[in-house]
Amino acid sequence: DAGVTQSPTHLIKTRGQQVTLRCSPKSGHDTVSWYQQALGQGPQFIFQYYEEEERQRGNFPDRFSGHQFPNYSSELNVNALLLGDSALYLCASSLSGGQRYGYTFGSGTRLTVV
Amino acid sequence: GENVEQHPSTLSVQEGDSAVIKCTYSDSASNYFPWYKQELGKGPQLIIDIRSNVGEKKDQRIAVTLNKTAKHFSLHITETQPEDSAVYFCAASNGGKTSYDKVIFGPGTSLSVIP
Repeated sequence: DAGVTQSPTHLIKTRGQQVTLRCSPKSGHDTVSWYQQALGQGPQFIFQYYEEEERQRGNFPDRFSGHQFPNYSSELNVNALLLGDSALYLCASSLSGGQRYGYTFGSGTRLTVV
Repeated sequence: GENVEQHPSTLSVQEGDSAVIKCTYSDSASNYFPWYKQELGKGPQLIIDIRSNVGEKKDQRIAVTLNKTAKHFSLHITETQPEDSAVYFCAASNGGKTSYDKVIFGPGTSLSVIP
């Protein structure tokens, strides 16, 4: 049973560019949450998608947007990249119904903005 | 806003000794408290969780305690082994009230178990 799959694993972008990160949730999961993890820090909540809609959002600017597809996979888009956007981006999937079963995380996408 | 604090930021113990990590949370509506272990190059992995209607939970060498009045919760690892070396994150959520929620993480504790 495949867990959470994220692509690409590493990415280098130039300041001002746009980037799209992808996530396939664990089989049977229908909710996807995205987190940003700066080096040496805890994951920071970006947003959560359920039933193809953004249900919760953290303290991130509108440059961060997302999408969830009918097969529950998800994309994270970041526009006008800043140097400070360099981080590990984690996707976590879960089963709807609140935190009854916990998150399953992917290994993340390491984004470097130069 | 919601906030989770975690101490210590680094912890070094001898193999076989116990390790304790403590967290506090600010949102009194929080009712679910998971703990995650993150190894180098990997995403966080859920190791144990506790809900607000329970004061303590144990799974082999790992135990968690919760004091809702004080908004404190702790992770206890006994008989530590070198493979316990990793970064540990506490987290809090008010999940369960709707079909979706957000989980707020602490800043992490880097645990080193010295053989």
